[in-house]
Amino acid sequence: SYVLTQPPSVSVAPGKTARITCGGNNIGSKTVHWYQQKPGQAPVLVISYDNDRPSGIPERFSGSNSANTATLTISRVEAGDEADYYCQVWDSSSDHPVFGGGTKLTVL
Amino acid sequence: QIQLQQSGPGLVKSSQTLSLTCVITGDSVSSNSAAWNWIRQSPSRGLEWLGTTYYRSKWYNNYAVSVKSRITINPDTSKNQFSLQLNSVTPEDTAVYYCARSIGSGYAYNIWGQGTMVSVSA
Repeated sequence: SYVLTQPPSVSVAPGKTARITCGGNNIGSKTVHWYQQKPGQAPVLVISYDNDRPSGIPERFSGSNSANTATLTISRVEAGDEADYYCQVWDSSSDHPVFGGGTKLTVL
Repeated sequence: QIQLQQSGPGLVKSSQTLSLTCVITGDSVSSNSAAWNWIRQSPSRGLEWLGTTYYRSKWYNNYAVSVKSRITINPDTSKNQFSLQLNSVTPEDTAVYYCARSIGSGYAYNIWGQGTMVSVSA
């Protein structure tokens, strides 16, 4: 089955740029979605279809996807961005969605 | 505004059936563009999609291989809701269970329920 690999943790200072990667075999050929999850809350879709921001998501959130890596970029990081972030694709070979293991973003 | 409201017991005994319901407001379970899903989350398994139901001129279901022999997801058009039944549960099924709405061919989960912590006692 298809596997998505994320770093367990990323740390960034306030005001700087955070980049969270999601690795997968030829992931550039797939559509990637990103979710933010704060403690005790349900996940929230922050980027869909590689780089679309749902209504209400700040422009500071963006995505890219190429070759074997998709990246979620958060510019001008704020304390409120501290959360777990998950990538997700649809695996057409199994006809199932696949989630990455998640990355904990810490704002220093 | 589309919302999903979950309900169901937080404690289930081993070998019994886990049952949860998700009520939809602001959309229809019979929508031709949305699909209705159950996803669970545990420290050991992370986010795990369990299955989906959707209507495209007729009803379809799709279930994860890991639970396919034990799961049923049913739409209820009269109450605009859908349900999850997971049979023969074990402590391994202990998790937070979410219902979620997905859209598009890429299946982005854009609306989530509040989550239900379900514990399976041995």
